[in-house]
Amino acid sequence: GIQVEQSPPDLILQEGANSTLRCNFSDSVNNLQWFHQNPWGQLINLFYIPSGTKQNGRLSATTVATERYSLLYISSSQTTDSGVYFCAVAQGSGNTGKLIFGQGTTLQVKP
Amino acid sequence: GAVVSQHPSWVICKSGTSVKIECRSLDFQATTMFWYRQFPKQSLMLMATSNEGSKATYEQGVEKDKFLINHASLTLSTLTVTSAHPEDSSFYICSLTRTTVGYGYTFGSGTRLTVV
Repeated sequence: GIQVEQSPPDLILQEGANSTLRCNFSDSVNNLQWFHQNPWGQLINLFYIPSGTKQNGRLSATTVATERYSLLYISSSQTTDSGVYFCAVAQGSGNTGKLIFGQGTTLQVKP
Repeated sequence: GAVVSQHPSWVICKSGTSVKIECRSLDFQATTMFWYRQFPKQSLMLMATSNEGSKATYEQGVEKDKFLINHASLTLSTLTVTSAHPEDSSFYICSLTRTTVGYGYTFGSGTRLTVV
């Protein structure tokens, strides 16, 4: 099956710093999403981005489908950005393929 | 995105008992739902795909007789952990998506199961 690799596994930042999280996947996909899992376990959808670039406030994401990777940018990080960031991909026709998760990047933003 | 309601948020049960977790789609009819399990400090692992009106499809290594999935309507899927044991303690999360391409997958708030 498809493999999803995220890097780095852990990241510690000082508040205000910028960061880039990477997601590599081993095959073509028709769905790619970035999630933030908060301390209570809730998965917050950040971006639906199978290709192209999107921005939402201090966060932006870019997926280069032909090269099978996606990047999540966090600018001017805040302590509330702490948590686990997951990249997940799906294959198959339509929108019913299984969503497969990477191992996540654990981000800690220090005040 | 879709609105997903999952209950209960947490449950503690005795070893040997069964626990049912509900996942409801609140704003559209979901023909397919997904169930994930997450152990502490690990990623989400897909357990099974729940199809309305038919049997669920389980991932390799997931015991279908232990994790009973029922998707009897287009808005409700249930996961029953039967004869639970301490090693079944985990975080269980459901997910669904519209079949139309262009929408992402939305997740319930999860159920933290502790078996004592």
